[in-house]
Parts: sequence; C-alpha cells; structure tokens
Amino acid sequence: QVQLVESGGGVVQPGRSLRLSCAASGFTFSDYAMHWVRQAPGTGLEWVAVISYDGNNEYYADSVKGRFTISRDNSTNTLYLQMNSLRAEDTAVYYCASSYSTSSSWGFFDYWGQGTLATVSS
Amino acid sequence: DIQMTQSPSTLSASVGDRVTITCRASQSISNWLAWYQQKPGKAPKVLIYRASSLESAVPSRFSGSGSGTEFTLTISSLQPDDFATYYCQQYNTFWTFGQGTKVEIK
Repeated sequence: QVQLVESGGGVVQPGRSLRLSCAASGFTFSDYAMHWVRQAPGTGLEWVAVISYDGNNEYYADSVKGRFTISRDNSTNTLYLQMNSLRAEDTAVYYCASSYSTSSSWGFFDYWGQGTLATVSS
Repeated sequence: DIQMTQSPSTLSASVGDRVTITCRASQSISNWLAWYQQKPGKAPKVLIYRASSLESAVPSRFSGSGSGTEFTLTISSLQPDDFATYYCQQYNTFWTFGQGTKVEIK
C-alpha cells in the first residue's frame, strides 16, 4: 500500500538549518507532484512547497520563499525539504503529501505521511 | 492570494445528527475544492475532491456541494468515528486551507 515516511525533524536553534526527508513507496513516485505541508502546534494546516513530478518546477509559500528548498530524487523515491535560516515560527509538524497533476490542475493531496516535528528554539 | 473561510469554528453535535460545514473562498475557485478530516496526532485524510466527488472508501454519509465561492460539507448522520477536525482546501491557485472546524460531542 502507499506509504510516505518523513524523517529528519528535531530541535534546532534559530538561524540554523534542518533537512527533512520523505521516503515514498507503494505508488509510482515519479508520476506525482509532491508537497510539504506544515501544522504549527494547536493550529491549522499551511501549504509550504510543491515540486512537479519531474522536478522541473517548484513553488513556495511566501512565508518560506528564499529560505526553504524542495527537491526530489526519483531514482530513490525520496522527497526533501532543506530549511535554512530557521525561525521560531517555523516550529511545526511537517507532512509530505502527494498530488496527481493533470493539464487542468496540480491536484489535491491524496496521500500523506505521518509527519515529523521540527522545533526551532534556543 | 485566495483566502478560505470556514464556519463554524467549532460545532457540538450528537450521534445521528445531520451536520453541515460551510467554506467560502475570497474569489471564484470553480470546483477545485477538497475536504479533509484530521484526528488528533494523525495526518489529514481526503474525504471529498472536486467539491462533490467522494474519495474511494469514504462512507457515503459524507457529501460535498457548491461551486464558485460557496461550498458545504454535509455528514448525513454523525457517527462516533466522525468526531474530528475538518478542513476545506482550494487548489485552483496554489493551495490554501480553511482554518478548520472541530466537530465535538454535545
């Protein structure tokens, strides 16, 4: 069955970096756009970034643009999020999610991982 | 940016009740809207996509309607497993979630 497994979360000081990973299995990873979505403690969901199925297109939320970089390796079915210049407000559970794109739409989020917690604190 | 506004923020209901949650978009999103259910400590799960299409394996007591800027999620007869937080999401232009509606036991 479909599995998305995030890793790489932890506690980091403000201004430092963290790299999250998401290992995919059970579906054709290279056919799907992939996203990072975050949820700060006790709050709602915020879309963070997307990368196209082939890795040629990336888009970011304004709140992370210029600090975060999304990437993927279709040979190992792995998604990444490089987070630099971290701030306290980046503290959240980070989920990876997939969407199937068509000519009309990038799609909704059909599969989600279980999430990994990144805490930015001194 | 497209803003999504859900109402109510919290809803108290009993098993067997009919429940309706509303979601409004700040501009037209056609029918590019999804609904998700999230339970504490778990990832969200899609219930409805394209405003009214039921995701595979989702019980038929869930239904969605609307287009343009006004959308609703209806649970026809609330079950114990349905107490959770529900989010709408537009995917017309990037992705934006509503703030969530917590359905709690009355």
